[in-house]
Amino acid sequence: ETGVTQTPRHLVMGMTNKKSLKCEQHLGHNAMYWYKQSAKKPLELMFVYNFKEQTENNSVPSRFSPECPNSSHLFLHLHTLQPEDSALYLCASSLQRQTNTGELFFGEGSRLTVL
Amino acid sequence: AQTVTQSQPEMSVQEAETVTLSCTYDTSENNYYLFWYKQPPSRQMILVIRQEAYKQQNATENRFSVNFQKAAKSFSLKISDSQLGDTAMYFCAFMGAGTALIFGKGTTLSVSS
Repeated sequence: ETGVTQTPRHLVMGMTNKKSLKCEQHLGHNAMYWYKQSAKKPLELMFVYNFKEQTENNSVPSRFSPECPNSSHLFLHLHTLQPEDSALYLCASSLQRQTNTGELFFGEGSRLTVL
Repeated sequence: AQTVTQSQPEMSVQEAETVTLSCTYDTSENNYYLFWYKQPPSRQMILVIRQEAYKQQNATENRFSVNFQKAAKSFSLKISDSQLGDTAMYFCAFMGAGTALIFGKGTTLSVSS
C-alpha cells in the first residue's frame, strides 16, 4: 500500500461509546496530523506529531485522545463524544513538521457520526 | 492571528471554460507560503499549486495558475480549459514561519458538460 490510509471510512457511535480512528502512512514521513472538517467551516488542525512527539494540541477537548506509537501510525481515541463532534476527520503526513514546502499528504478521511 | 477567507462557497463552470476562485488572507508576516488544495468527492485532498511570498512571479502548474497580489493579500486560482475531473472542493491555505497550514472554508466547484 502507498500513501495515507485511514480506517474506518465511516463510523457511527453513541455518546457513551469508545472507538478509535486509525491512520497509517507508507511515505516515510515523520510528521502526522489530525484535522477536523465540518461543513461550512475551515479545516481545524487538532494535533501534530513530529518524530512521534506531540508538538501541537489546538485546545482540543480531552474526549479526543491522540496516540502516535511510531512515525507511521497515528490514532485518535474517541470517548463520550457529543453530536457536534460529527465530522470528517482527516489524517495527513509530511516529511517533517518544520518543513517549508507546506505539502501535506492526506488520507481519505473517516466520516464520524455521533448519535 | 492569520486568517484565510474564501468568499465563494460554490461555483459552477462549463467544460473548457475558465474559472477563477478567490482567496484573501490576513497576516503581518513578510515571508510565507500560499497553497491551493483540491478535495475531489470522497477522495483524498491533494496539493494543486504553491506560491512563495518572496517570489513575484505567479506560480503555474499546467492548467492551474495563480494571481498573487501581495499588497492586497489576495491569492486567486485560475483554472483554464476546465474538465469534469476538476469538480471538487478547493481550499486556499496559508503557512507562515513555524506555523501549520491554515485553511479557508473552501469553494465547491462543479464542472458540467
